Parts: sequence; C-alpha cells; structure tokens
Amino acid sequence: EDKVVQSPLSLVVHEGDTVTLNCSYEVTNFRSLLWYKQEKKAPTFLFMLTSSGIEKKSGRLSSILDKKELFSILNITATQTGDSAVYLCAVGGAQKLVFGQGTRLTINP
Amino acid sequence: SAVISQKPSRDICQRGTSLTIQCQVDSQVTMMFWYRQQPGQSLTLIATANQGSEATYESGFVIDKFPISRPNLTFSTLTVSNMSPEDSSIYLCSVEDGANSYEQYFGPGTRLTVT
Repeated sequence: EDKVVQSPLSLVVHEGDTVTLNCSYEVTNFRSLLWYKQEKKAPTFLFMLTSSGIEKKSGRLSSILDKKELFSILNITATQTGDSAVYLCAVGGAQKLVFGQGTRLTINP
Repeated sequence: SAVISQKPSRDICQRGTSLTIQCQVDSQVTMMFWYRQQPGQSLTLIATANQGSEATYESGFVIDKFPISRPNLTFSTLTVSNMSPEDSSIYLCSVEDGANSYEQYFGPGTRLTVT
C-alpha cells in the first residue's frame, strides 16, 4: 500500500530560525512529489518535484527530492510568523495523490 | 493555474439529511478529484470525477454515500448522503493543471458540521 510519512509532526520555533521538514514515501509508479501549505481549509501549492537532486526555490522556501532514498525535504529560512501552518507532502502515484499526515509548524515571535 | 470555487463554504446540517457541494473551475480540466479531511487528519481521496462516465471511488467510499456528478469539463458536485456526525469534515475538490499535468490545485473547501 502506498505510504507517505512526514516528520516531525509538530515543530515550534522562534521567528528567524531555519526549519527542515521531512517527507519519506513508498509509492508504486511514482510520478511526482508535491508540497502544500495549509493555513485554514484549502492547501496552497508550493512545489512539485519530479527529478532527484534539482532544488526548487521560491523566496525563503526550497525543496529537493531524492528518488533513490525516497524522501524529500522542505527548508524554510528566516522564518516569519506568517509561515505558521500545516505543511503537507503528497506523492503522486497512478493518477492519485497520497498525502502524509502533515507537519504543524508554529513560529513564535 | 486554474481558479476553483466551491459552494457552500460551510454548512451545519442535521443527521440523516444530505448536502450537495459544488465545484466550479474557470477552465476546462480533464481530472477533478474530491477529498475529505476529517478533524486533525490529513487529506483522503474520496473519488476521481470523470466527465461523461461514473466516478472512480477509492477503497472505503461508495457511490450510495457520496454520489458525484461531472456534467462537463468545468463543474462537478459531491453529495454527502444520509449524514452522521462522523461525516463532519472539510471537503475539497481539486484539479490537475493541464499545462503542468501533475500539479494539483485545490478549491477553498467546504467545512461541514453534522449535528
């Protein structure tokens, strides 16, 4: 059965810290790995990764995929209180996304 | 990316009743999906809404409980039938971006509370 595991489940840091969120997976017919930010209801798309070793970057957020070791990391540098959210990792298999449990990130001022 | 709207945004319903959630996309898309997110949980795929044919349901979800319509390439509905408090969840529709085919974008969600 396809599985996506995120760690840590919860993380509390101070504003300005750098955080690394982890996502490991076991999925048949891997197509892509996606990261989302969920603040209220709707997950907001952050990144999609399909190839190993190619870093995707958007402002203070970056992500990379290792298809050999079956994991991805999401880095957030110089965190701000607005980064507080649940970060979801999802892996695309055969036309279907499987979601991890999410990491609840809290940034304290 | 596609712009997705959902109606209603939230609702409080009595057990035994049914609620139909609408999902509208501003462009034609091939793949539309319905997810459920129970309180404190992650997202679980309910079904893939196929235009012109029956929806494809995931294990644990059945058409009688969650009937889905997909009359065209920009619209879909999900009905939650004969509701119980266990159906209290956020329901989300999503679409795959046609240009970047593996990227999925989500609608704003419907928060359903069943009393």
